[in-house]
Amino acid sequence: AQSVAQPEDQVNVAEGNPLTVKCTYSVSGNPYLFWYVQYPNRGLQFLLKYITGDNLVKGSYGFEAEFNKSQTSFHLKKPSALVSDSALYFCAVRLPYSGNTPLVFGKGTRLSVIA
Amino acid sequence: NAGVMQNPRHLVRRRGQEARLRCSPMKGHSHVYWYRQLPEEGLKFMVYLQKENIIDESGMPKERFSAEFPKEGPSILRIQQVVRGDSAAYFCASSPRGATHNQDTQYFGPGTRLTVL
Repeated sequence: AQSVAQPEDQVNVAEGNPLTVKCTYSVSGNPYLFWYVQYPNRGLQFLLKYITGDNLVKGSYGFEAEFNKSQTSFHLKKPSALVSDSALYFCAVRLPYSGNTPLVFGKGTRLSVIA
Repeated sequence: NAGVMQNPRHLVRRRGQEARLRCSPMKGHSHVYWYRQLPEEGLKFMVYLQKENIIDESGMPKERFSAEFPKEGPSILRIQQVVRGDSAAYFCASSPRGATHNQDTQYFGPGTRLTVL
């Protein structure tokens, strides 16, 4: 069964510093990988996804993520954090097979950017 | 272009009552997914629907829960005889294409927060 692990419940970073939010996955095959962000009392907003091709994916609000097949990871990064980046971040994986395959989410990582 | 709409945003029910949650997908999207988020947890898939059809309900409890997506109108997630354990945030997502295009992004609504007293 596919699963996603976000090993850190909380990440704290100072404003202006680079940030990394970690994600590893366990699936058979080559998955599709997604990052979403959730602000308080809001729905999930799509940030970026990896489908195929270049391992470095660029997304919204200056975020990027690197797909690493050997380490089965898809860490989210940003070169310079903003206070407004403080939110809950979810990594998700989906199998590429035909027919519906559910989007499976990690438990989320709360990012706190301190001014 | 309006995003995914959900209403109500907050719903309070007493044990034993019924809860009806509505979801209108993005314009041009005919595929709807429902997820449940328990406190401090990620989202869990419940059900996937196309217009007038349930495609995959493998994540939905067999008892008390049902979903529909009629030809006209929003998708509805219905919970009968609610219990305290049903308290959660329920999110709807939509995508333009369905199960043969699993690379498509799912776009989420703001959620309905159900509280069962």
